[in-house]
Parts: sequence; structure tokens; C-alpha cells
Amino acid sequence: SQELEQSPQSLIVQEGKNLTINCTSSKTLYGLYWYKQKYGEGLIFLMMLQKGGEEKSHEKITAKLDEKKQQSSLHITASQPSHAGIYLCGAGRLQGAQKLVFGQGTRLTINP
Amino acid sequence: EAGVAQSPRYKIIEKRQSVAFWCNPISGHATLYWYQQILGQGPKLLIQFQNNGVVDDSQLPKDRFSAERLKGVDSTLKIQPAKLEDSAVYLCASSLRDRVYIRTDTQYFGPGTRLTVL
Repeated sequence: SQELEQSPQSLIVQEGKNLTINCTSSKTLYGLYWYKQKYGEGLIFLMMLQKGGEEKSHEKITAKLDEKKQQSSLHITASQPSHAGIYLCGAGRLQGAQKLVFGQGTRLTINP
Repeated sequence: EAGVAQSPRYKIIEKRQSVAFWCNPISGHATLYWYQQILGQGPKLLIQFQNNGVVDDSQLPKDRFSAERLKGVDSTLKIQPAKLEDSAVYLCASSLRDRVYIRTDTQYFGPGTRLTVL
């Protein structure tokens, strides 16, 4: 099984609707990072969470971390076409130096 | 502040040919990473440099891939010879971290190089 599981793998929502993407780690987290990627482009950093119960927001995107469950969720309120893309979670791992392990991504499509 | 720069953006080669990618990190960032992202998957770390030293290259296929970071700034990733399965986006990232053993450190990514091997 994957070290970092994202769900769902793809999501199609109507513009204006809310949505949630989940990320679950099978190993201890040293920071949980959310990125957004447009097709064929680089990753754009959204937020980093490191403490249990931590919650961060940027515009209409909110991310939460449940450290005990080793899970994070990304919630988008009142979705817009600009939110479309691939959302990736990255788990910080301490294997010698700190490194990131990524989930497979969630492809989000917003229908007008 | 300028972001991570990569070139070329696209490259098409035939199998068994060689190819090189270039990366210029954010100014002042000590750590540089190369990732391979195959279509439909998340990025996979190939190699990590701190300044000009290699910190982790455990997933780099060393029989065909090589990377260097001269003077602790720019970096080059080379594939020689390329195989069909090397078709992917190659991403470069950098982070501020100037010490190896810290718990969290945000990585900033470049636009990537899309490699197609025919």
C-alpha cells in the first residue's frame, strides 16, 4: 500500500460547491504540506501544518491536521474555476535528513 | 523574489540518447532537490543536495542518472542513456534549510521539464 494515501483520486464539483480532500499517512509525520499543481507545471506551495489540531486558511482554502490519526484534510469553500488543478499532499519524513514523500494527488475539476 | 528556474521546459529525445536539465534555486536556499513525476503520480525524490554535498541519492538510478551542484548554487541532472520509462516531468525544488537535521522545511518548486523519450 501507499505510504501516503489521498482521497478521492479525482473530484468533479459544480462551481460554488464546497469540497474536501483527505490525506492519510502510514508513518509518523514531520510536517504535512499541501501543494497545488496545474497540468504540466510545477507545484505551488499552499500551506504547511505541523502540530496536532492545527488549522490554516488562505482565501477559501482551509487545511487541518489530526496528528494522532496522521491525517490531514483540505477544504475548499464556494469553489471557483481557479481552484481547478491537482492537489498534492507531502509528508515530512526524518530519514537522516528531512525529506518529503508525496501522495498520488487529487485531480479537481470545477464545472461552471 | 525570483522563484526556482528550470530549463528547458520541454525536451523530446530518442531512447539511448543523452539529455541534461538545469536548475537555478531561489537565492540563499541551501538545499536543492530533483524529483521525477510520472504522469498520474506524485513526485518522487531522486536526489537532495545541501550546499554542494549530496544528502540523499538513494532513489537515483545511478547507472544512467547523474547530478551535480557546483559551487552550491546551480544544479544539472543528466540521463545517459535515456529509456522509454524515463518519460516524465523533472522537477527541481529548493528550500532554505542550512542544517541537515531540522524537522520541517518548506520546499519551493520550479516549473519543471517535461521529457518525452521516443
